[in-house]
Amino acid sequence: GENVEQHPSTLSVQEGDSAVIKCTYSDSASNYFPWYKQELGKRPQLIIDIRSNVGEKKDQRIAVTLNKTAKHFSLHITETQPEDSAVYFCAASGTTTDSWGKLQFGAGTQVVVTP
Amino acid sequence: DAGITQSPRYKITETGRQVTLMCHQTWSHSYMFWYRQDLGHGLRLIYYSAAADITDKGEVPDGYVVSRSKTENFPLTLESATRSQTSVYFCASRLPGGNTEAFFGQGTRLTVV
Repeated sequence: GENVEQHPSTLSVQEGDSAVIKCTYSDSASNYFPWYKQELGKRPQLIIDIRSNVGEKKDQRIAVTLNKTAKHFSLHITETQPEDSAVYFCAASGTTTDSWGKLQFGAGTQVVVTP
Repeated sequence: DAGITQSPRYKITETGRQVTLMCHQTWSHSYMFWYRQDLGHGLRLIYYSAAADITDKGEVPDGYVVSRSKTENFPLTLESATRSQTSVYFCASRLPGGNTEAFFGQGTRLTVV
């Protein structure tokens, strides 16, 4: 089955700097890669996703890049703000019989933005 | 925050007791999932369901049972609770296919004493 690894596990940045979180996946059939943000005590919520026919996607201060050959994808947050402090999860999902519909998550990255 | 709800939000139970966590969604999503969240492990899939009466194991299914008699409900039962099952449990749902957004419930914090 799919295995998703996420690094780093914690990330401290100064307000205004950029943050980058990296994930690798094992199943070459995976074709959907969402990122979720979870604030303390809250549910995970989707912030951006990318499909395998796209190499990069941006939404204001966040962007995701995908390298299917290397089987890795990354989340980039620019001009970080204190409200970006949260746990971020990457995930992968595929369309093979074994992976159909399942979302496999990475272990998460705790991002702390200090003013 | 309509759409997918879990109950109870908090539960304390004793070792060996049976406990059921409820999940209800109003979107008629065919796919539903149960994850547990533990520090350092992220979100680990316990069970998932592709439709009513179709369920399958995830990566950590031992000690858990699910059923899905109706599309909108996906209860998770701990048959005989153990301390290692103390965790935060999240239910999620999504439309069919491999590239649709998954929506999460608010979570249930379960403590087994």
